[in-house]
Amino acid sequence: GNSVTQMEGPVTLSEEAFLTINCTYTATGYPSLFWYVQYPGEGLQLLLKATKADDKGSNKGFEATYRKETTSFHLEKGSVQVSDSAVYFCALNSGNTPLVFGKGTRLSVIA
Amino acid sequence: EAGVAQSPRYKIIEKRQSVAFWCNPISGHATLYWYQQILGQGPKLLIQFQNNGVVDDSQLPKDRFSAERLKGVDSTLKIQPAKLEDSAVYLCASSLNLAGGPREQFFGPGTRLTVL
Repeated sequence: GNSVTQMEGPVTLSEEAFLTINCTYTATGYPSLFWYVQYPGEGLQLLLKATKADDKGSNKGFEATYRKETTSFHLEKGSVQVSDSAVYFCALNSGNTPLVFGKGTRLSVIA
Repeated sequence: EAGVAQSPRYKIIEKRQSVAFWCNPISGHATLYWYQQILGQGPKLLIQFQNNGVVDDSQLPKDRFSAERLKGVDSTLKIQPAKLEDSAVYLCASSLNLAGGPREQFFGPGTRLTVL
């Protein structure tokens, strides 16, 4: 079945540092890939998505590229801010199927 | 546009008691999902509805959990009787039923259940 593996946290960075959160997946067919973010006390929000190989999703300075050859969808940001502190989830689905999530990576950014 | 609404936001019960959660999806969204998110883990699907029909309930512990979406709009998830391991955040999500392409799921704020 489909599965997602993302790097264990927590990750602690200083403001303006470079961020990478690794995500790899196992899936049949051609899934869509997502990064969701959960800020403290809030619900899950879609951060970015990519629907086919070599697509790059981007939002709020975050980027991730759908790499079919390495089955990866790593999340990156060039300069993190304190406000980026949250839990980040990598996920996938196919069409209208339920999302399959990774375990989440907690990011703490300190000033 | 109003988002996915859930209530209550928090619930504390003792084991063996019953509890119910309510979800109102975004207007016009035919597909509704209930996920369970245990602390430190990613959300896992409990049940998926398409209008008022069940599409996937293979992960729902049917001996204690039940869910309905009678009119194809709002939905209720019930646990009876609750166990300690049911302590989690219960998330409701909805999506449009469009042919082809990814169908973004929009999540509600969740209900945090604590079973003592």
